[in-house]
Amino acid sequence: EPEVTQTPSHQVTQMGQEVILRCVPISNHLYFYWYRQILGQKVEFLVSFYNNEISEKSEIFDDQFSVERPDGSNFTLKIRSTKLEDSAMYFCASSADPPYGYTFGSGTRLTVV
Amino acid sequence: RKEVEQDPGPFNVPEGATVAFNCTYSNSASQSFFWYRQDCRKEPKLLMSVYSSGNEDGRFTAQLNRASQYISLLIRDSKLSDSATYLCVVNKAGGYNKLIFGAGTRLAVHP
Repeated sequence: EPEVTQTPSHQVTQMGQEVILRCVPISNHLYFYWYRQILGQKVEFLVSFYNNEISEKSEIFDDQFSVERPDGSNFTLKIRSTKLEDSAMYFCASSADPPYGYTFGSGTRLTVV
Repeated sequence: RKEVEQDPGPFNVPEGATVAFNCTYSNSASQSFFWYRQDCRKEPKLLMSVYSSGNEDGRFTAQLNRASQYISLLIRDSKLSDSATYLCVVNKAGGYNKLIFGAGTRLAVHP
């Protein structure tokens, strides 16, 4: 079964540092997403990406965040200057036919210290 | 009002029990509805879509009441492996089909 692959699985970073979370969506999917889940809270939408541009973003997705599809396979989330409150599990997802057929990656646990 | 509301539980049930979860959503323009399952510290996985006519998948039955903005999930003959958090998820009309998650209902099935 096709998978969405995320790396790293866990990243620890110091406050103020930049981090890049990486995702490889399923190859024939065209819609890409980032969600996050703070420990003990609900899964929250961050951003959607289609046709090489951001299609929608949430209030959480401020100027500190950016996304990129640098080549035909990777999809990245960059946090420019991490804050303690950015500590969360970040899930990448892709879909060929949203909202159906969403596949989530196994997540990157980001810990900001 | 929260966009998607669920009873957080936990529901502690013995194997073989029938358990029902409920969910309400606030946006009447919501178009698509789902139940996802999330194991501890894992990604959400689609359990089933929910249709107005109701739908069943083995031991799982989902119902949607658009008039009341209410979604339900019934699990029959609970197994130990059903222990997880069940997430009620809706998709808002328009946009690029982002999913809006409820906080989840935790189920613990014991022997």
